[in-house]
Amino acid sequence: DAGVIQSPRHEVTEMGQEVTLRCKPISGHNSLFWYRQTMMRGLELLIYFNNNVPIDDSGMPEDRFSAKMPNASFSTLKIQPSEPRDSAVYFCASGYSNQPQHFGDGTRLSIL
Amino acid sequence: SQQGEEDPQALSIQEGENATMNCSYKTSINNLQWYRQNSGRGLVHLILIRSNEREKHSGRLRVTLDTSKKSSSLLITASRAADTASYFCATDAVQAGTALIFGKGTTLSVSS
Repeated sequence: DAGVIQSPRHEVTEMGQEVTLRCKPISGHNSLFWYRQTMMRGLELLIYFNNNVPIDDSGMPEDRFSAKMPNASFSTLKIQPSEPRDSAVYFCASGYSNQPQHFGDGTRLSIL
Repeated sequence: SQQGEEDPQALSIQEGENATMNCSYKTSINNLQWYRQNSGRGLVHLILIRSNEREKHSGRLRVTLDTSKKSSSLLITASRAADTASYFCATDAVQAGTALIFGKGTTLSVSS
């Protein structure tokens, strides 16, 4: 079991640039979650998918954020344009409905 | 909005001592989960307790749930230096489906 795989592990870019974070969930899991973690706000749910369909995106902070899940084995979280306040660790997690979630090791994003 | 709140925010103990962390939440839940996060890593699921359960054990972990008080506790017995991590409770509010809402965590430091 390879676990949830996120890429890149670290990203440093200048404000205004487009950022794309990638996630490969554990094979067979039907739910996928994107979280953002900061010291100030803790771990926040941004969006989650069931069977590749977005169920709740109320946590997405602004229209600059978008997420897609084109198939069961891949998801992206995109920020365009990026701003310094988007700096955080972004986690992807997958699981079966109503079962424990399995987290990737996150992408540490720094926007200068 | 924050569903779970852990207490204390930080806890420092010696190896061999027991560590107790508490979690309070606001709305009715299906289940409550505890996760651990080591520095620089993703969250790892520890234990899940359903709303109709009052206590659950897993190795050195003991979790209690009091739905009347909307609170839970995590006890780690005979702590080890390797238990040093942040611990989070997460609830899936009945209305929220599979989405989990995490507290801000308790940072546990175990010194040898």
